[in-house]
Amino acid sequence: AAGVIQSPRHLIKEKRETATLKCYPIPRHDTVYWYQQGPGQDPQFLISFYEKMQSDKGSIPDRFSAQQFSDYHSELNMSSLELGDSALYFCASSLGRQPQHFGDGTRLSIL
Amino acid sequence: GQQLNQSPQSMFIQEGEDVSMNCTSSSIFNTWLWYKQDPGEGPVLLIALYKAGELTSNGRLTAQFGITRKDSFLNISASIPSDVGIYFCAGGGVNDYKLSFGAGTTVTVRA
Repeated sequence: AAGVIQSPRHLIKEKRETATLKCYPIPRHDTVYWYQQGPGQDPQFLISFYEKMQSDKGSIPDRFSAQQFSDYHSELNMSSLELGDSALYFCASSLGRQPQHFGDGTRLSIL
Repeated sequence: GQQLNQSPQSMFIQEGEDVSMNCTSSSIFNTWLWYKQDPGEGPVLLIALYKAGELTSNGRLTAQFGITRKDSFLNISASIPSDVGIYFCAGGGVNDYKLSFGAGTTVTVRA
């Protein structure tokens, strides 16, 4: 079965640069979620979209923004990157209140 | 901030033994989910629980949604080497779809 696809899998940036992470949800899933997982920590919710509209917002820095497009894929845009932004970024998708299924993540390293 | 208390933090078990872990919260959740995460990969859904008191099995895994809606446990019976990994509980809110995660239980199996 098709899973959540994230790209790139690995990304290396320098401080103050920008990054764009992409997420392609499972077909027919209408909700996309973004999570950040620091080393040895649990995933922390950043933001979610339902039917292309922002549905919930968590601990997402003002330097980050996200959107969901007409084909339901989502992008997380990160600017003025800081060393502390180094983490695994996961996208998950669901159909309504059905369980969320996660992608394999993007490992972002800030030098 | 983190609302879920997951225990134990880690465990070393003998192959063939049964494993038990649990999560408690000060908040009520509408859903409880259990995920397993292997290094460098995204969390994989193991079991989803939707009703207070619900007991659900998936192969050697059994999980229950606490009657107070503030706790859940996961049991793994007859552990095998591939059970190694980090297990996360996650609660789905009453008024939103985002997940709050526990800190994880790291399981290591001794052959």
